[in-house]
Amino acid sequence: QGQLVQSGAEVKKPGSSVKVSCTASEDIFTSYSIAWVRQAPGQGLDWVGRIIPNLGTINYAQKFQDRVTLTADDSTSTTYMELRSLTSADTGVYYCAREALTGFGVVTLAYWGQGALVTVSS
Amino acid sequence: DIQMTQSPSSLSASVGDRVTITCRASQSISIHLNWYQQKPGKAPKLLIYAASNLQSGVPSRFTGSGSGTDFSLTISSLQPDDFATYYCQQSYSSPLYTFGPGTKVEIK
Repeated sequence: QGQLVQSGAEVKKPGSSVKVSCTASEDIFTSYSIAWVRQAPGQGLDWVGRIIPNLGTINYAQKFQDRVTLTADDSTSTTYMELRSLTSADTGVYYCAREALTGFGVVTLAYWGQGALVTVSS
Repeated sequence: DIQMTQSPSSLSASVGDRVTITCRASQSISIHLNWYQQKPGKAPKLLIYAASNLQSGVPSRFTGSGSGTDFSLTISSLQPDDFATYYCQQSYSSPLYTFGPGTKVEIK
């Protein structure tokens, strides 16, 4: 239930772009929102943004909003995160996670993908 | 933006110890506070939601408390499987979430 499967590791040059995918089982893709979270090596968790596929609603964290685009493909139940103008500071693991609204009105990230390592190196 | 802090940043403890981690928000977030456990190379796992509610399948030795700006996560009797990093996360400003910096629990 709630399985999210992400694309594999990527190695990119500085200045290039990367596109990471997150494929969900159909039941969660159509009913929930998908958040993206970055974790730099040895560091904490940094919220990138979220997309609600069936509503087309997208929100970005201020620090990423100029360089990131979240999209969704209904036909394959897949969401994508594209990050542009990569620098070494963008190296890290990028996770997608399903948002869930609890009975208390509190939103959680209840189910996570396995993560996709993006390495930016010349 | 709501800022989250955690203390301590790391701790060393023995199996069987009682461990408490605290999390503080820069403004009141009511009970919009979740706790996650992360092991090396793995995705975070939801432990506690809405400040004090145990996620399904999580052992009862984990408890959460607090509201407003001050929260805590307690492990009543530390087990070998509990050595990990713990993060708090506020969802009051949903969808603009922020995580605490994490607390690493290591074996003494």
